[in-house]
Amino acid sequence: DIQMTQSPSSLSASVGDRVTITCRASQGIRNDLGWYQQKPGKAPKCLIYAASSLQSGVPSRFSGSGSGTEFTLTISSLQPEDFATYYCLQHNSYPWTFGQGTKVEIK
Amino acid sequence: QVQLVESGGGVVQPGTSLRLSCAAFGFTFRSFGMHWVRQAPGKGLEWVAVISYDGKNKFYADSVKGRFTISRDNSKNTLYLQMNSLRPEDTAVYYCAKGFYVGDTAMGLDYWGQGALVTVSS
Repeated sequence: DIQMTQSPSSLSASVGDRVTITCRASQGIRNDLGWYQQKPGKAPKCLIYAASSLQSGVPSRFSGSGSGTEFTLTISSLQPEDFATYYCLQHNSYPWTFGQGTKVEIK
Repeated sequence: QVQLVESGGGVVQPGTSLRLSCAAFGFTFRSFGMHWVRQAPGKGLEWVAVISYDGKNKFYADSVKGRFTISRDNSKNTLYLQMNSLRPEDTAVYYCAKGFYVGDTAMGLDYWGQGALVTVSS
């Protein structure tokens, strides 16, 4: 099975900050990776698919990059509504696997 | 609009069984692979299982293989998860989710239900 290692597990940031979250795959997964945002008590929401494609309706301050084993989610200017937990998901091969999550908190 | 509605959650004792259902609305259910994802209290997301659009192909997480069975009834637009030999570590919110495709290539999960809580406790 492919293991996804996400870092950091949490971070504190201020509104307007640039935030970067990383996911590393235990083996190459091409660009078969998505990023999901989850707010407390809610279902996750897909932000990015195919490593760098923005899902419809998602603000352009979110971007993704990477290929192979290392991937990055960037929020260019953190907004109040962005405080949430973020997960990567590899869909290269079954079983699909999520990263452990990154909780983005208000500084 | 697309809507996924889970039902069937509850409190059960270890070793018993439970079946979750997920009713789908607002899209051509028979055309899409469907997934179950779970989240233990205070923990991260765990992918559980997938079933192809026609029900012929199924894959499972190692943690549930041999105990859980995913199935679907395309005539009823409904996805199921039969959970047997339940363990306390199966306690979680269970989400059904619709597969997202570009052409025939799976790209992740684009719509999720609100979740059904399953608690396994004596």
